[in-house]
Amino acid sequence: LAKTTQPISMDSYEGQEVNITCSHNNIATNDYITWYQQFPSQGPRFIIQGYKTKVTNEVASLFIPADRKSSTLSLPRVSLSDTAVYYCLVGERSRDDKIIFGKGTRLHILP
Amino acid sequence: NAGVTQTPKFQVLKTGQSMTLQCAQDMNHEYMSWYRQDPGMGLRLIHYSVGAGITDQGEVPNGYNVSRSTTEDFPLRLLSAAPSQTSVYFCASSRQRANSPLHFGNGTRLTVT
Repeated sequence: LAKTTQPISMDSYEGQEVNITCSHNNIATNDYITWYQQFPSQGPRFIIQGYKTKVTNEVASLFIPADRKSSTLSLPRVSLSDTAVYYCLVGERSRDDKIIFGKGTRLHILP
Repeated sequence: NAGVTQTPKFQVLKTGQSMTLQCAQDMNHEYMSWYRQDPGMGLRLIHYSVGAGITDQGEVPNGYNVSRSTTEDFPLRLLSAAPSQTSVYFCASSRQRANSPLHFGNGTRLTVT
């Protein structure tokens, strides 16, 4: 898997849009960018994945610039329940069987 | 579908005891893996399997054994528990395809005294 760098922690307020950026300078041609969310005392859950440009689902949007060396997870109008750890992973499963998680970004939403 | 089921949810062991953490998935996923997560830390990969009969070591395999006799089950064995193995253990599974995300169980919280 490509090495990723993301902020250790972030604070935001309810109702704000939150953007978490992940750097992955050595991303390979076939790599996908996948984000997971982990609430306290629960296993991580998949929230969004992309290869290029923009992907949007009911939970978040993922913005990927043309060079793909970074990506930004965008959470619209966050609430207290979005307080969680967010992990960015970059890789391609047929090549990378060892799926290593980094420390993630601890997002704390304030009232 | 139940997804990924881990048992037990909680376990307390004495140092030197052995036990098996169970993991089962009903999604016919080829890939399964075990992670441990210590307080305030990220997940660390213990062992993984890309199919029945195939297992391999992750980042922190020492003290743990695994086997994969069926597609559905991937048990994790602690042969002689140590306090350093106190942690929350998560099992995950996925299709073995290029962009398949992992599906996680709810974890087993293990305390070794």
